[in-house]
Amino acid sequence: ETGVTQTPRHLVMGMTNKKSLKCEQHLGHNAMYWYKQSAKKPLELMFVYNFKEQTENNSVPSRFSPECPNSSHLFLHLHTLQPEDSALYLCASSQDRETGARENYGYTFGSGTRLTVV
Amino acid sequence: GQNIDQPTEMTATEGAIVQINCTYQTSGFNGLFWYQQHAGEAPTFLSYNVLDGLEEKGRFSSFLSRSKGYSYLLLKELQMKDSASYLCAVRGFKTIFGAGTRLFVKA
Repeated sequence: ETGVTQTPRHLVMGMTNKKSLKCEQHLGHNAMYWYKQSAKKPLELMFVYNFKEQTENNSVPSRFSPECPNSSHLFLHLHTLQPEDSALYLCASSQDRETGARENYGYTFGSGTRLTVV
Repeated sequence: GQNIDQPTEMTATEGAIVQINCTYQTSGFNGLFWYQQHAGEAPTFLSYNVLDGLEEKGRFSSFLSRSKGYSYLLLKELQMKDSASYLCAVRGFKTIFGAGTRLFVKA
């Protein structure tokens, strides 16, 4: 475990389904992120939350809807997805300010949810 | 525009040394990360370079040249467990990631 927990690890859903991905961190970080990782492509930033406020939405289709009820939890609600949305969805957290050891400057990632849309 | 380039795949032999290069063009620069990602697992932090030069941490070293927009990750005494993807990421106004380099270590 990295300190960031994602559930479920695997998800298969039909294009008409509604599902949610969950991310939880207890590292005391104040920023949380959703990334999409497709095969042989760079990590794509989807959403950023700082202190529970959404600070970035990278032109993500409305079929992806994030929710951040508090600084430790982040959700990604999914509905009417397309097969091209099949990917690994990674949650990450970080400290907003660079303090302490360098390891604290980067992101701590969860293990991801492998999503398959059929 | 913003761009990070890394080789797609590399193969090396157990016990050898391998260098994974990363070139970048970004808006602003605050530092460069290297992450390791084993298949099906979370990326994990390896290094963070802010200033030019080489930083060594055990078998792994990372180099940065800000004027050239260039970094490399050096892995020494390769082990089979080093087979993984290595992601270069640049922290500017945003943090952007490269597509990663898949390293295969063979016996």
